[in-house]
Amino acid sequence: ETGVTQSPTHLIKTRGQQVTLRCSSQSGHNTVSWYQQALGQGPQFIFQYYREEENGRGNFPPRFSGLQFPNYSSELNVNALELDDSALYLCASSQGRYTDTQYFGPGTRLTVL
Amino acid sequence: AQSVTQLDSQVPVFEEAPVELRCNYSSSVSVYLFWYVQYPNQGLQLLLKYLSGSTLVKGINGFEAEFNKSQTSFHLRKPSVHISDTAEYFCAVTNNAGNMLTFGGGTRLMVKP
Repeated sequence: ETGVTQSPTHLIKTRGQQVTLRCSSQSGHNTVSWYQQALGQGPQFIFQYYREEENGRGNFPPRFSGLQFPNYSSELNVNALELDDSALYLCASSQGRYTDTQYFGPGTRLTVL
Repeated sequence: AQSVTQLDSQVPVFEEAPVELRCNYSSSVSVYLFWYVQYPNQGLQLLLKYLSGSTLVKGINGFEAEFNKSQTSFHLRKPSVHISDTAEYFCAVTNNAGNMLTFGGGTRLMVKP
């Protein structure tokens, strides 16, 4: 059974650029959630996708957007990058829309200069 | 709205000593409770979860936690820690919609030889 994978592992961008992060969900899971973890803090919920539809969103501006594909993999897009967007971005997958356990990937470390 | 407070940002302890990491939550609805562990430069790994039933929950690596509804707490315990337990520990809650985890700020467990 393949776990949650994310790519890339690290990347560096400059302020104002756009970035796309990718996540492959665990086998059998149809729900993907994205979290932002700033240095020294707990993760914060960005949004969740269930069967290609957004199923909840946290307190993040519209320049954070996402997609989920028919194979349940997902993308997180961030436009007009700001310095404060530097963080570890975590993807988690789960089985079902109303589920109890989310399984996390290793994360993508984004640095904005 | 839900919130999670981890009362200790750092907990130093000697190897083979017992440890308790404290977690308090607030929520207006029934919650599910989780503890995750994060090793350096890695994603989050589920240690244990409380959904319903017995208030004492056993997890991986010898950890256990007790749900106390009257005190809105979910403290994590281990009777004897190892050097390898050195990591960041996060308490999290989700409501029965299951679409959003709310995390505490984390507790860094530092096990000394």
